[in-house]
Amino acid sequence: EVQLVESGGGLVQPGGSLRLSCAASGFTFSSYWMSWVRQAPGKGLEWVANMKQDGSEKYYVDSVKGRFTISRDNAKNSLYLQMNSLRAEDTAVYYCARDGRYCPNGVCSYYFDYWGQGTLVTVSS
Amino acid sequence: QSVLTQPPSASGTPGQRVTISCSGSSSNIGSNTVNWYQHLPGTAPKLLIFSNSQRPSGVPDRFSGSKSGTSASLAISGLQSEDEADYYCAAWDDSLNGVVFGGGTKLTVL
Repeated sequence: EVQLVESGGGLVQPGGSLRLSCAASGFTFSSYWMSWVRQAPGKGLEWVANMKQDGSEKYYVDSVKGRFTISRDNAKNSLYLQMNSLRAEDTAVYYCARDGRYCPNGVCSYYFDYWGQGTLVTVSS
Repeated sequence: QSVLTQPPSASGTPGQRVTISCSGSSSNIGSNTVNWYQHLPGTAPKLLIFSNSQRPSGVPDRFSGSKSGTSASLAISGLQSEDEADYYCAAWDDSLNGVVFGGGTKLTVL
């Protein structure tokens, strides 16, 4: 059974840092792209970042570029999100998600096929 | 302001068919596939439709997806009370080099 369990959320002051972790099990972690997606209070889902299997490609939403860093440890089946210079608008539930892929004719499409339960990050003084 | 545009709300009575639209542009829906997610507050989002119209195992065939040009839609037939949730469309955007979501549609079963 695929499981994704986030941890590391909490209350942090503006300008502070936090590191989120996502422990994966039930699948070959090193074979999948992985993502972070967040939902601010009363708002919709927002993709934050994703990362290729070997770490050679990473992509970020513009609002977090230069402040957040996605990383992974395939030996530990874990995904991370280092969040620096946090702002009030970063307050959200952060979800870890697996990037599933569908390649019917050699061209792949990607989607979030498994999600964790999320961890709440609150940025406030 | 979301890159993909969805109606903020939709509603229907049990047994009815409802559709939720998702409008984008040539850099996202126009050139990439669309996925749909169901989200109940306090729970993990759930993949409902991938690659425009494919259903993951376990998702009832009451749910269907389609795409045409720069728009996509999710249809739910035989509406049930348990379908009351928020629904999101999403696609990769070639210009932004990232995944973009719609603002979400809150479905109410009357």
